[in-house]
Amino acid sequence: AQSVTQLGSHVSVSEGALVLLRCNYSSSVPPYLFWYVQYPNQGLQLLLKYTSAATLVKGINGFEAEFKKSETSFHLTKPSAHMSDAAEYFCAVSEDGATNKLIFGTGTLLAVQP
Amino acid sequence: KAGVTQTPRYLIKTRGQQVTLSCSPISGHRSVSWYQQTPGQGLQFLFEYFSETQRNKGNFPGRFSGRQFSNSRSEMNVSTLELGDSALYLCASSLDGPTFFGPGTRLTVT
Repeated sequence: AQSVTQLGSHVSVSEGALVLLRCNYSSSVPPYLFWYVQYPNQGLQLLLKYTSAATLVKGINGFEAEFKKSETSFHLTKPSAHMSDAAEYFCAVSEDGATNKLIFGTGTLLAVQP
Repeated sequence: KAGVTQTPRYLIKTRGQQVTLSCSPISGHRSVSWYQQTPGQGLQFLFEYFSETQRNKGNFPGRFSGRQFSNSRSEMNVSTLELGDSALYLCASSLDGPTFFGPGTRLTVT
């Protein structure tokens, strides 16, 4: 069965510092991997997705993620945090790119300190 | 292009009642999926509809049901509401690629 593990339910960084949010997946087949962001009282917004085309995926708002099969990881990074990045981030996996059944991690709440 | 819309945005129901939530996908999107988000269980997949047929189903009791109409709009129904059904219900749509989410319906069961 597929699963996603997000290490660290809360992460705090200073404005301008590197953001690193961790995601490890478990899948018996080559996975489709996603990162979503959720701002308070809003739905989920897609940041980026991995669909086997390239291991380094660039997303919106300066975020990127690297797929590492040997480590079964898909960590999300941003070189310099901005106050507006404060939100909850979810990693998700899908076995089948043709359907939309996503298995989500438990989320990481990112706080950005001035 | 308008995004995924969900109505109502907020709802308060009493235990034992039933509720119907509505979702209008992005124009042209044929896949609609539903998710339940709670502080305790996180985001959980309920079901997915594609061209009016249920294509996938999560591990929820039969009290949770859905349907999709010919215009791709979808409804989700929960019968015999329980306190534990209080959650944010998110609808998402897709054409052939990434999934786009609506703002959700906040259901409170008292």
